[in-house]
Amino acid sequence: DAKTTQPPSMDCAEGRAANLPCNHSTISGNEYVYWYRQIHSQGPQYIIHGLKNNETNEMASLIITEDRKSSTLILPHATLRDTAVYYCIVRGIQGAQKLVFGQGTRLTINP
Amino acid sequence: DAGVIQSPRHEVTEMGQEVTLRCKPISGHDYLFWYRQTMMRGLELLIYFNNNVPIDDSGMPEDRFSAKMPNASFSTLKIQPSEPRDSAVYFCASSPGQRSYTFGSGTRLTVV
Repeated sequence: DAKTTQPPSMDCAEGRAANLPCNHSTISGNEYVYWYRQIHSQGPQYIIHGLKNNETNEMASLIITEDRKSSTLILPHATLRDTAVYYCIVRGIQGAQKLVFGQGTRLTINP
Repeated sequence: DAGVIQSPRHEVTEMGQEVTLRCKPISGHDYLFWYRQTMMRGLELLIYFNNNVPIDDSGMPEDRFSAKMPNASFSTLKIQPSEPRDSAVYFCASSPGQRSYTFGSGTRLTVV
């Protein structure tokens, strides 16, 4: 699976949109981009995933560039409860079914 | 749906003792994963099962670790003998095929 690069930490003001970037320049055509988050002391939580089209659900939006080499997770109206470590993971749709977590981005929402 | 259930939530044991961690996946999920999380190494995949069969155990640190899945509703991760460096939070997760994972709340293991 392709490697991802994320900033180690970010800050965002409560009520603002939080935009979390992820680089995955070696992604191949059959690999999805997944986002999970881990709130302190809890298990990771699935947020969203996509292949090449932008995706939106009740939690967030995922914007994938046309060349698929990077993506952005958008939390449209961040709250204090969104403070967590956010993981961007690339995984193939065939073969091994495992998710490999990197170090992620520690997002802090400030009041 | 009760989610992925892990027990115990906390375990404190003495070095050399056997430790057994338990996991009940979500009904209908055919994949089960065991992860370990430490400050130094982050989240590491230890082993995963598909339809109760171990598929990839390359992340299991050494022979002291073993995992079983006797049926679709139960899995165990055993450490024998335990060592202080095994102290970590152990997570179990399950998924229906290639869909998203659901993680349990984890077991915090402390070996003294």
